[in-house]
Amino acid sequence: QVQLQESGPGLVKPSETLSLTCTVSGGSISTYYWSWIRQPPGKRLEWLGYIYYSGSTNYNPSLKSRVTISVDMSKNQFSLKLSSVTAADTAVYYCARGATRADYWGQGTLVTVSS
Amino acid sequence: EIVLTQSPGTLSLSPGERATLFCRASQSIGSGSLVWYQQKRGQAPRLLIYGASGRATDIPDRFSGSGSGTNFTLTISRLEPEDFAVYYCQQYGPSPPPFGQGTRLEIK
Repeated sequence: QVQLQESGPGLVKPSETLSLTCTVSGGSISTYYWSWIRQPPGKRLEWLGYIYYSGSTNYNPSLKSRVTISVDMSKNQFSLKLSSVTAADTAVYYCARGATRADYWGQGTLVTVSS
Repeated sequence: EIVLTQSPGTLSLSPGERATLFCRASQSIGSGSLVWYQQKRGQAPRLLIYGASGRATDIPDRFSGSGSGTNFTLTISRLEPEDFAVYYCQQYGPSPPPFGQGTRLEIK
């Protein structure tokens, strides 16, 4: 069964870049879309964007200028970078399989933005 | 942009009872592009229903989805202890895909 695991720093300073990686096991990253989704404390889930294994991307327009998603097929991983973070970017970040419908999710990782 | 509103915010029921959760869209989204997820405390969301009424892999048949247009329903026919969780609806297809705010199903 496909499993996803997020990794990266749990604390990021304001104005810096948040970087997370999702490692996919139990299946190949090829032929699928892969997404990042987040949930700020007490708020609803928010889709950040997705990438196809070939490298084509689609981002949430509200974050488009700050978000970059990339894929590394050799490592069966994909990554998220969110620049110029503020406290509003504090959230649990999930990686998932699928473009706009997620059938497998990672456990999520809490990222706090604070100095 | 479509907004999804779930009701009730919290539903208190006992094991063995029937649960009915609602998801209303601010405009019609047709019949084929709504999903339901279940999220237990400390766990990742799990896909339950796709296409408004199709059960995802390994989902028990006590879970069922229905609806079209702007009104959708998730029904759990007979609650098991492991069903008490938060449930989210989501429209897929558009970018960005909207989520509902969730319904918390708690033990009465």
